Amino acid sequence: NAGVMQNPRHLVRRRGQEARLRCSPMKGHSHVYWYRQLPEEGLKFMVYLQKENIIDESGMPKERFSAEFPKEGPSILRIQQVVRGDSAAYFCASSGLAGGTDTQYFGPGTRLTVL
Amino acid sequence: GEDVEQSLFLSVREGDSSVINCTYTDSSSTYLYWYKQEPGAGLQLLTYIFSNMDMKQDQRLTVLLNKKDKHLSLRIADTQTGDSAIYFCADTSGGSYIPTFGRGTSLIVHP
Repeated sequence: NAGVMQNPRHLVRRRGQEARLRCSPMKGHSHVYWYRQLPEEGLKFMVYLQKENIIDESGMPKERFSAEFPKEGPSILRIQQVVRGDSAAYFCASSGLAGGTDTQYFGPGTRLTVL
Repeated sequence: GEDVEQSLFLSVREGDSSVINCTYTDSSSTYLYWYKQEPGAGLQLLTYIFSNMDMKQDQRLTVLLNKKDKHLSLRIADTQTGDSAIYFCADTSGGSYIPTFGRGTSLIVHP
């Protein structure tokens, strides 16, 4: 009964490189959410996806960040030309239904460090 | 915009009760959640309460909701060292599926 899986768990990149973070939702879940947690802060919503569709990207920075959830395979959060300020923990969550009636289950996170 | 506030730290002795408090600003909050985050791990849902409830109890956990004051609390009875973690309060409101999180309360349990 695998939960939400994220990899890698830790990622180190130099400024200007690309970071790719992967998320496999819980079995049977078709809704994926990405959050960012800066040190000593709560989680901030970034983007909500269903299979092959971006439903809400209101929390995504306008540049360098993109997300996808293809028909097959995990959801990918991609950060191009990383900067030190991108260093954070990135969490993925999944749910079976949209809306507050169905709880989001979180993965263990990917901790991105930009040197 | 919507805001969820928590105190940052709470220190208790093992065996005592812990009470973690949270206030929120959105009067249309529908679900309120408590998540636990252990070091280096993701968030684990502990419990949630629907806004038309005043209280919910689940083993050692008791959630109290005061809608008038927009105040939510989590009481952990007989606190153990394994309860040491960061506890996040969150809510969803107005049909939104996106929870708004507080900054988290670090619970430190000492012998």
